[in-house]
Amino acid sequence: EAQVTQNPRYLITVTGKKLTVTCSQNMNHEYMSWYRQDPGLGLRQIYYSMNVEVTDKGDVPEGYKVSRKEKRNFPLILESPSPNQTSLYFCASSLWGGNQPQHFGDGTRLSIL
Amino acid sequence: DAKTTQPPSMDCAEGRAANLPCNHSTISGNEYVYWYRQIHSQGPQYIIHGLKNNETNEMASLIITEDRKSSTLILPHATLRDTAVYYCIVSPGPGSNYQLIWGAGTKLIIKP
Repeated sequence: EAQVTQNPRYLITVTGKKLTVTCSQNMNHEYMSWYRQDPGLGLRQIYYSMNVEVTDKGDVPEGYKVSRKEKRNFPLILESPSPNQTSLYFCASSLWGGNQPQHFGDGTRLSIL
Repeated sequence: DAKTTQPPSMDCAEGRAANLPCNHSTISGNEYVYWYRQIHSQGPQYIIHGLKNNETNEMASLIITEDRKSSTLILPHATLRDTAVYYCIVSPGPGSNYQLIWGAGTKLIIKP
């Protein structure tokens, strides 16, 4: 089944403790992206990747890192999480960038205390 | 990037057609109109997209006006499971970072 898989689905952690949210897709998609969703603000793009080893900042990249060493994986790294990064996070992929439908994961709810 | 305007909420009776409007008056010639929906806090789900012509798939129909300044998503026979937030998005063309600008969407409530 074609899917985008995120882990963990839920995480409660403390300020400053490094964490990684994994994202994997099995559709051989070139384009992958991370979003965060906060009440009243809609989905905002954090980082995106056009292909392996190619990543770029979205609207709200501060406090986040990403890597794209393999086509299928696009982990989101919070080196020193802070409470303002408490949010619902979604990973998405599409065949390539541009006018292609994006497939979304089920989301990761992060709470930073 | 073109922005979209949608009503914040709509109701529709189960079994009837749900017609969701979207205004995108600043859309440019190479930009597509995309529709996604989000059920509760699940990941957004792609519904349909189009450039100029009307489009139909197993989920919905998309009607785009001739001047491309507005569109309507039609769910032909709405069910309770169609209750969701529906997002109309204009997708930038080649040369941009392919970023989708997400607005607040329309909260569609299907009533029995």
